[in-house]
Amino acid sequence: EAGVAQSPRYKIIEKRQSVAFWCNPISGHATLYWYQQILGQGPKLLIQFQNNGVVDDSQLPKDRFSAERLKGVDSTLKIQPAKLEDSAVYLCASRKSGSQETQYFGPGTRLLVL
Amino acid sequence: QQQVKQSPQSLIVQKGGISIINCAYENTAFDYFPWYQQFPGKGPALLIAIRPDVSEKKEGRFTISFNKSAKQFSLHIMDSQPGDSATYFCAASIAGSARQLTFGSGTQLTVLP
Repeated sequence: EAGVAQSPRYKIIEKRQSVAFWCNPISGHATLYWYQQILGQGPKLLIQFQNNGVVDDSQLPKDRFSAERLKGVDSTLKIQPAKLEDSAVYLCASRKSGSQETQYFGPGTRLLVL
Repeated sequence: QQQVKQSPQSLIVQKGGISIINCAYENTAFDYFPWYQQFPGKGPALLIAIRPDVSEKKEGRFTISFNKSAKQFSLHIMDSQPGDSATYFCAASIAGSARQLTFGSGTQLTVLP
């Protein structure tokens, strides 16, 4: 079974530029999460999808961050415009849903904003 | 109330020793407590998890001890190996369709050869 795929793995941009990250969850996993992991901290949830609907985006800075999961499979997370404090690893995770608790994480995209 | 507090921030153990990482929580609605292991450049991977209806769960060299009354849980790594050197995160979640994880701040474990 293939794991959660993310791309790109690394991205360096200047502040005020835009950037997009892509995630392909494990096949059949209805629930998808995006996390932000700042260096030295635990992952922090940004947004959660159930199929193609948003379950919770209360911690997503909506003035600059957006995310979508149009067909209930792949998802993209966008930042526009980026700030220096957005430098972090962006992790995507998926879960099978229902009573299955385990979240499976992708390798993450490391973003550096200069 | 949603916080999970983890300690220590870093831990150095000799090969063959026991590594112990502690976590505490406030929200009694949490009903699932996983530990994740993260190597540099990789995403977190589930190591072991426990529910509050048991006080201990063991998988190989890894054991979770759970104290419901104290709202604390800990990870014990027996016979620690250099390959165990990684960052460990405790987490907690509440039942329901969301199953969102609240993570601790992480412990960087170094096992010396």
